[in-house]
Amino acid sequence: NAGVTQTPKFRVLKTGQSMTLLCAQDMNHEYMYWYRQDPGMGLRLIHYSVGEGTTAKGEVPDGYNVSRLKKQNFLLGLESAAPSQTSVYFCASTEPGRETQYFGPGTRLLVL
Amino acid sequence: DQQVKQNSPSLSVQEGRISILNCDYTNSMFDYFLWYKKYPAEGPTFLISISSIKDKNEDGRFTVFLNKSAKHLSLHIVPSQPGDSAVYFCAASGVESQAGTALIFGKGTTLSVSS
Repeated sequence: NAGVTQTPKFRVLKTGQSMTLLCAQDMNHEYMYWYRQDPGMGLRLIHYSVGEGTTAKGEVPDGYNVSRLKKQNFLLGLESAAPSQTSVYFCASTEPGRETQYFGPGTRLLVL
Repeated sequence: DQQVKQNSPSLSVQEGRISILNCDYTNSMFDYFLWYKKYPAEGPTFLISISSIKDKNEDGRFTVFLNKSAKHLSLHIVPSQPGDSAVYFCAASGVESQAGTALIFGKGTTLSVSS
């Protein structure tokens, strides 16, 4: 039981490049979330999904897109990376009615 | 406008002593509060939580106290150990949202426990 895994662990992009971050969970959780964490800041919600095939915007969605084609996977895409998207990205999952979210190890992204 | 505030960015404590981490919130709709612990280069891990119907929850060395009238909660670690050195995030949930149990996080407090 791996819990929540994230791929890749670290990536360097040039401004304007695109990439996709992958989150996978093996707990059969319905809800999945993408957060970003910046220095001196708490975690801020980017996008979330309450089930396969559904996605919605969180607090800071601009510049990101997501897809949830399979229940166990939640993808976060950057179509044209900007230096302001340099951050650590965390994926989390949980079940309906549960407040506790389970987090992945994070993806550190540097945009030059 | 921060709804969950951790006003102390850092806290230093000696091993064996008590660590007290504080958290304030502004939204009276919050009805569940959680503490997460985060080591460098790892994801946050759930530590302890408390429902708004309680004023205290204890789990081993960790105790969370909730003062609803003051909109304040605190995490007590007794005794503190060097392995407790980490960033601690306070989070709150309960606001009506389509995002399931959306969590609102504070900025975190870095705890350093010296031996």
